[in-house]
Amino acid sequence: GQQLNQSPQSMFIQEGEDVSMNCTSSSIFNTWLWYKQDPGEGPVLLIALYKAGELTSNGRLTAQFGITRKDSFLNISASIPSDVGIYFCAGPDSNYQLIWGAGTKLIIKP
Amino acid sequence: DSGVTQTPKHLITATGQRVTLRCSPRSGDLSVYWYQQSLDQGLQFLIQYYNGEERAKGNILERFSAQQFPDLHSELNLSSLELGDSALYFCASSVSAGDRASTQYFGPGTRLTVL
Repeated sequence: GQQLNQSPQSMFIQEGEDVSMNCTSSSIFNTWLWYKQDPGEGPVLLIALYKAGELTSNGRLTAQFGITRKDSFLNISASIPSDVGIYFCAGPDSNYQLIWGAGTKLIIKP
Repeated sequence: DSGVTQTPKHLITATGQRVTLRCSPRSGDLSVYWYQQSLDQGLQFLIQYYNGEERAKGNILERFSAQQFPDLHSELNLSSLELGDSALYFCASSVSAGDRASTQYFGPGTRLTVL
C-alpha cells in the first residue's frame, strides 16, 4: 500500500534556527496535509496543500507541494520553544483514506 | 479548538475490564475516525464511520468495537483490557470523502491507563 516517509525522525535545534523537514512517497498524492501534535494533545492541522507546486505559509511555517506530487516540505523559520512537538504529514489515498507519516519530533536544545 | 469533543479526558481501569470512549464530531462532519497512539509512537488508524455506517477498518483488535449513532456521535468500546492497551485514543472527524473533504480534525484525546 501507499506509504509516507518522513525525515528526519527527530531534530535537535537551537532556538532561532530555521527547520526543514520533508515527506516523500513512491506514489502520487493529490493533497498534502501537515499536522503538529503537542505532547498529550491531538494533532492540529497546520497547512493543507492541494496543487502541485503550491507554496503556502502560515505565520513562520511554509509548506510546499512537490511538483512530482510525490513529496512535500515543511519549513519553520526562527524556531521558538513552542514549536516543540511532533510534525506529521498525511495525504489521502485513492479511497480518500488518510495515510500518515511516522512523524518528525522537534526538540529545542536547552 | 477543533470542534471535536472527546470524553473522558483520562480513564484508569484494571486489566480485564471494559470501557467506552465517546466522541462528538464537528458540526456538519459526517465521518468519524478512531486512532490509537501508544507512547512515543505514531498514529495507528483503528476504524472509520461515515453517516452511521462502517467505512474503513485499520488495525483494530477484535476486542475493540465502535459505532456511530444517528446524531453522529461515536463510541469506541474496548473490552478485556490488557496492559498494552494503555495509550492515547483520538477521535477525528471530516466532512466526507473527497480529497479536500478528507482533511481530518482531531479531538483532544482520551488517555487510557490499564493497571
